[in-house]
Amino acid sequence: GAVVSQHPSRVICKSGTSVKIECRSLDFQATTMFWYRQFPKQSLMLMATSNEGSKATYEQGVEKDKFLINHASLTLSTLTVTSAHPEDSSFYICSASGEGEAEAFFGQGTRLTVV
Amino acid sequence: AQSVTQPDIHITVSEGASLELRCNYSYGATPYLFWYVQSPGQGLQLLLKYFSGDTLVQGIKGFEAEFKRSQSSFNLRKPSVHWSDAAEYFCAVGGIGGFKTIFGAGTRLFVKA
Repeated sequence: GAVVSQHPSRVICKSGTSVKIECRSLDFQATTMFWYRQFPKQSLMLMATSNEGSKATYEQGVEKDKFLINHASLTLSTLTVTSAHPEDSSFYICSASGEGEAEAFFGQGTRLTVV
Repeated sequence: AQSVTQPDIHITVSEGASLELRCNYSYGATPYLFWYVQSPGQGLQLLLKYFSGDTLVQGIKGFEAEFKRSQSSFNLRKPSVHWSDAAEYFCAVGGIGGFKTIFGAGTRLFVKA
């Protein structure tokens, strides 16, 4: 299958700072990328869908000013958690799919801890 | 609206016993169905997927799943469970063209010796 690389795998940041998470498709063009959040012992909740060159579409209840998503190229999408607080600590996972594809390929996730 | 239901929050089976994890979905069009496994603190690993064709699909690690349109189900099975199968299992439904993948709540599998 196609490979999606997510970086960093773990990050610790201070409360009030911003942190950026990258999601790259290594061997295919990702026309659509998805960002999920997973709290401990819970399922993956979709945060937003981004199409290359367009503004992201956020799910209900997700603050778009807090979780900035950029999908500037067909191989890279970034999620920036702005002014992070301890309650933003979570596991963030991205996935990517090519045009007309039924399957999205997942990155390995980023464990964010805000202290 | 699309949704996925995994009715069992957790299941405990003995090593060597058979396993069936249930999944029901609601989707307005032809569903694309997936089963993923996640070990603690790790990312997702795709076990198998169903797009079309034979309704019994084989996956990795000896898992299989059967798509039953009439029951809107996609249950995961394994004939003999190994201790290393203990993990969280997620059923998911998606669509073509980059349509979002929606996950069920997950079923945690415990394997006892």
